Amino acid sequence: GESVGLHLPTLSVQEGDNSIINCAYSNSASDYFIWYKQESGKGPQFIIDIRSNMDKRQGQRVTVLLNKTVKHLSLQIAATQPGDSAVYFCAENGAAGNKLTFGGGTRVLVKP
Amino acid sequence: DTEVTQTPKHLVMGMTNKKSLKCEQHMGHRAMYWYKQKAKKPPELMFVYSYEKLSINESVPSRFSPECPNSSLLNLHLHALQPEDSALYLCASSQDISRISNTGELFFGEGSRLTVL
Repeated sequence: GESVGLHLPTLSVQEGDNSIINCAYSNSASDYFIWYKQESGKGPQFIIDIRSNMDKRQGQRVTVLLNKTVKHLSLQIAATQPGDSAVYFCAENGAAGNKLTFGGGTRVLVKP
Repeated sequence: DTEVTQTPKHLVMGMTNKKSLKCEQHMGHRAMYWYKQKAKKPPELMFVYSYEKLSINESVPSRFSPECPNSSLLNLHLHALQPEDSALYLCASSQDISRISNTGELFFGEGSRLTVL
């Protein structure tokens, strides 16, 4: 069945270092992927998206990489800051394309 | 205005109560969504409305009843809930439902945290 999953449930990173969060998806028909950040007590907040016709997309301090061959998605955060501490979810739009399915989430803890 | 506003932020109810969660957006979006999120879990889709009509019901129990009075408002009526229904209920909107890759991301509200006693 459809599933979007993450390899690491918790990632501890030193402030200033780079973070990499990984996500595997199983639906080859998905053509749109989003990374969301969710801080404690808040709703998911859009970080960056990527369409299946791209391999890489960069934002401010964040980069998303998409490997369609192995159905793998990653989020790289450069120079991780205390404000980056949150749970990060990847999401994909699935075969029908009209709803988002979320992966299991990775908690990022930034150590000072 | 790029906000999705949800009320109340917190709700405590008994199993025999009837309550409602409300969601509002003024971005002109024509698709609105209800997600349920348990602690330390990803959001799970419940309902999708497109142009004020129910488009997707993810086999949600009838004790949850959605309503879309107009293009800016989305309600979730709650009746005879169970303690296991305690969760964060998230509302989201997008430009339309045709294909999320075309319409961009979902915008989420901050959620209504529901506790059923």
